[in-house]
Amino acid sequence: GENVEQHPSTLSVQEGDSAVIKCTYSDSASNYFPWYKQELGKGPQLIIDIRSNVGEKKDQRIAVTLNKTAKHFSLHITETQPEDSAVYFCAASGVKAAGNKLTFGGGTRVLVKP
Amino acid sequence: GAVVSQHPSWVICKSGTSVKIECRSLDFQATTMFWYRQFPKQSLMLMATSNEGSKATYEQGVEKDKFLINHASLTLSTLTVTSAHPEDSSFYICSAQTRLKPNTGELFFGEGSRLTVL
Repeated sequence: GENVEQHPSTLSVQEGDSAVIKCTYSDSASNYFPWYKQELGKGPQLIIDIRSNVGEKKDQRIAVTLNKTAKHFSLHITETQPEDSAVYFCAASGVKAAGNKLTFGGGTRVLVKP
Repeated sequence: GAVVSQHPSWVICKSGTSVKIECRSLDFQATTMFWYRQFPKQSLMLMATSNEGSKATYEQGVEKDKFLINHASLTLSTLTVTSAHPEDSSFYICSAQTRLKPNTGELFFGEGSRLTVL
């Protein structure tokens, strides 16, 4: 099955700096890579996703890059703000007709210091 | 749109009792729902896949007789933790796949239900 590794497990940045989180996956058949933000006591919230036919995607301060050959993808948050503090999870899945099982990375706890 | 609601958001029960958690897709029909368990400071671990009108598919190591899943309609799936014990205390989260986009991979997550077994 799929295995997703995520680094770092914790990340502390100064407000205004950039944050980068990296993930690797094992199954070359995976073709959908979402990123989720989870605040304390809440469910994960999709912040951006990328599919295997795209190398990069950007949405305001958030960008994701995908390297299919190396099987890794990264989340970039620019101009970080205190409200960006949360746990971030990457995930991977191979879309199948019977449903899409997401495999999650271990999570990165991001702390943005004002 | 695409809202998934879980109820209850938190529950405390005595050891040996059963607890039911509901997962509803409020504004879309969900062909498939997924149930996850998340222990403190850990990632989400898939427990089972629930398809409307059929038996759930459980991940390896998850006891199907302990975690009963019913997906009776296109908008409701329930997870019942039977004979709960303190080690079942966890954050249970569901996600749903819309019937309109079955092959996009996109899932919508509920807010989670925190179970504490005394």
